[in-house]
Amino acid sequence: NAGVTQTPKFRVLKTGQSMTLLCAQDMNHEYMYWYRQDPGMGLRLIHYSVGEGTTAKGEVPDGYNVSRLKKQNFLLGLESAAPSQTSVYFCASWARAPPYEQYFGPGTRLTVT
Amino acid sequence: AQRVTQPEKLLSVFKGAPVELKCNYSYSGSPELFWYVQYSRQRLQLLLRHISRESIKGFTADLNKGETSFHLKKPFAQEEDSAMYYCALEGGATNKLIFGTGTLLAVQP
Repeated sequence: NAGVTQTPKFRVLKTGQSMTLLCAQDMNHEYMYWYRQDPGMGLRLIHYSVGEGTTAKGEVPDGYNVSRLKKQNFLLGLESAAPSQTSVYFCASWARAPPYEQYFGPGTRLTVT
Repeated sequence: AQRVTQPEKLLSVFKGAPVELKCNYSYSGSPELFWYVQYSRQRLQLLLRHISRESIKGFTADLNKGETSFHLKKPFAQEEDSAMYYCALEGGATNKLIFGTGTLLAVQP
């Protein structure tokens, strides 16, 4: 049981480049979330998913896309990176049945130059 | 709309002093509320949730619907409690889990 893992841990992109962040969980959790964490702003929800094949917009979805083709994976894509997307990205998964476990990934530090 | 407000960016207390981290929320329905903790260089972890009414590491939180608050309390702070604390709300209809901006708790020896 590896919990929630995120790939990669670090990345530097140039403006306009694209990339995909992978979040994987092996706990059969239904709900998965992507957040960005910026100083003084806490965690802001980008997109989330309540099950395989479903996604929904969070608070700050612009510039990002997501997919949940398999229950265990939640992908976050940046089609054309901008310096404003420099942040630490966290993924979380949540079981909606007892014992209602919630786990966060270790984060991905992304810098866009 | 869902909103979580943590008015204090930093709370500094001495070891053994009581701690209260404030959290106010805005939500029209029946929310589910949480506190999370992030120790230095560690991932975020769930501290407690209001529906379970449990005490974790000596921390408790009571949901006050009249004041729309969910303050986190501990009677005697320990140095190992120093961390970033986040309050969060999940609106049942949307399933969005929204966080506040966090409060850094610094417990001085």
